[in-house]
Amino acid sequence: KAGVTQTPRYLIKTRGQQVTLSCSPISGHRSVSWYQQTPGQGLQFLFEYFSETQRNKGNFPGRFSGRQFSNSRSEMNVSTLELGDSALYLCASSLRAAEGTEAFFGQGTRLTVV
Amino acid sequence: GQQLNQSPQSMFIQEGEDVSMNCTSSSIFNTWLWYKQEPGEGPVLLIALYKAGELTSNGRLTAQFGITRKDSFLNISASIPSDVGIYFCAGQPQSGYALNFGKGTSLLVTP
Repeated sequence: KAGVTQTPRYLIKTRGQQVTLSCSPISGHRSVSWYQQTPGQGLQFLFEYFSETQRNKGNFPGRFSGRQFSNSRSEMNVSTLELGDSALYLCASSLRAAEGTEAFFGQGTRLTVV
Repeated sequence: GQQLNQSPQSMFIQEGEDVSMNCTSSSIFNTWLWYKQEPGEGPVLLIALYKAGELTSNGRLTAQFGITRKDSFLNISASIPSDVGIYFCAGQPQSGYALNFGKGTSLLVTP
C-alpha cells in the first residue's frame, strides 16, 4: 500500500512569489492535514480537510490556503512568499475524520524562500 | 493549538542502554501518538494510544497513555544505532482534530 506522497520534495522560490504544494493521501484516507515544521517553532498545524471541506484551521495568515479534491488529494498554496515561510511542509492523512485515528505523514516538501 | 512539554530535549547514550522520554500537557487529550523523524524525512508513526492508562508496545518501544490524560511516555529498550533520530509526541484534543506536537527529543546512540 503506497504511503502519503508529497510533491515536489524541494522548492526554491523568491520573495513575493506564490507556491502550490501537492499531497496524495493513502488510498482510502479521506482526511488530509497540513503542518509547517521549522527549527524554531516545531510542528505547527495549518489546516485539515475532510471530504473536500476545510474543518479546522491553524493560526496562520490568509496567505496560506488549501483545498481538497474529490479523490482526497490536497493542495496547499502560499501567496506573496516571505523569507519566514521557509520550512518543511508536511501532509498527513488519516483513515477517517473521527478523533482517535492515526495520522500518517509524507516525506514533506522543503520550501526555501530567497 | 498548544505546544506540549516534551523532555528531555536531547539524549546522548551508548548502544544497549534504555531510554525514557515523556510529554506533558495542561489539557486533556483523547489520543497520544509517538513519531520518529530522521533527517530529510517526514515523521513516522511508532505507537498510537487511545485510552487512559493504556500501555502499548511495538518491538523494543513501549508507550503509555497517562491516567490523567495529560501525559504520555515512551521507552526504548536496548537501544541500537538505528534508533538515532528525533522523537515527537503528539496529542489530539477532545474538541478538534489537529495534532499538538512536542518540540521533540533528539536521540544520539553511540556504538
